[in-house]
Amino acid sequence: AQKVTQAQTEISVVEKEDVTLDCVYETRDTTYYLFWYKQPPSGELVFLIRRNSFDEQNEISGRYSWNFQKSTSSFNFTITASQVVDSAVYFCALSGSMTTDSWGKLQFGAGTQVVVTP
Amino acid sequence: ETGVTQSPTHLIKTRGQQVTLRCSSQSGHNTVSWYQQALGQGPQFIFQYYREEENGRGNFPPRFSGLQFPNYSSELNVNALELDDSALYLCASSQTSGGPDTQYFGPGTRLTVL
Repeated sequence: AQKVTQAQTEISVVEKEDVTLDCVYETRDTTYYLFWYKQPPSGELVFLIRRNSFDEQNEISGRYSWNFQKSTSSFNFTITASQVVDSAVYFCALSGSMTTDSWGKLQFGAGTQVVVTP
Repeated sequence: ETGVTQSPTHLIKTRGQQVTLRCSSQSGHNTVSWYQQALGQGPQFIFQYYREEENGRGNFPPRFSGLQFPNYSSELNVNALELDDSALYLCASSQTSGGPDTQYFGPGTRLTVL
C-alpha cells in the first residue's frame, strides 16, 4: 500500500522568510510519480509540480524549489522569500506506474497549512 | 484556471437522500477522477473513469457510483446519504496517453448532509 506523510500540520512565517515543507512517502512500486498541489482558501487544488521516480534532478521554478531524495523517500518543497499570497494548504501526493493498481490514483498526504503574515 | 468545472458549488441534503454532482473535464482530456475531502484532511480517491468505463476505485461503498459521458464529462452519484458524506467533492481531469498524467482539479462541490 502506498502512503504519504506530511508531518508538519501548520507552519507560520513572516513575509520574506523561507518555508520548507516535508514529504515522506512509502511505495513498493519501482516507478512512481510525486506531485505537489496547493489549496488556497477557495478550495481548488492547484498543480505545482510532478516528479518521476527515475529523475532525481532537483528543480527550481521562480520562488519554488523541490528536493527529491529517493534514498530517503522524501520530496521536500521550499518557498523562498514567502509572500502573503503563499498562504494555503500544500499537499504532497503519490501515484504508481501504469503496471500497478495505483496508476492514476493520487494518494495524498494530510497537508501542511502555511500561514504567511505581513 | 484549469478549465475543469463542477456543479453545483454548494449543496445541502438530508440523511437518506440521493445526490448527483457534475464535472466537465478540461478540453482534450479523456479521464476523470473523483475525490472526497473531509474537513482538515487530504483528498481521498473515490474512482476514476476512462473512456466511459470505471478504471479503478478506492475504498468507498457501492452507494457511491459514477458515469462518464461521450464528451468525457462525468457524474458522481451518492445514494442513501450519511452524515459522514459531508465533504468537499473534487473532480480532476487528465489525459491518459500511456505516459504519466497530471490531474487538474475543479473548484469542488461542498456537500453538507444534515
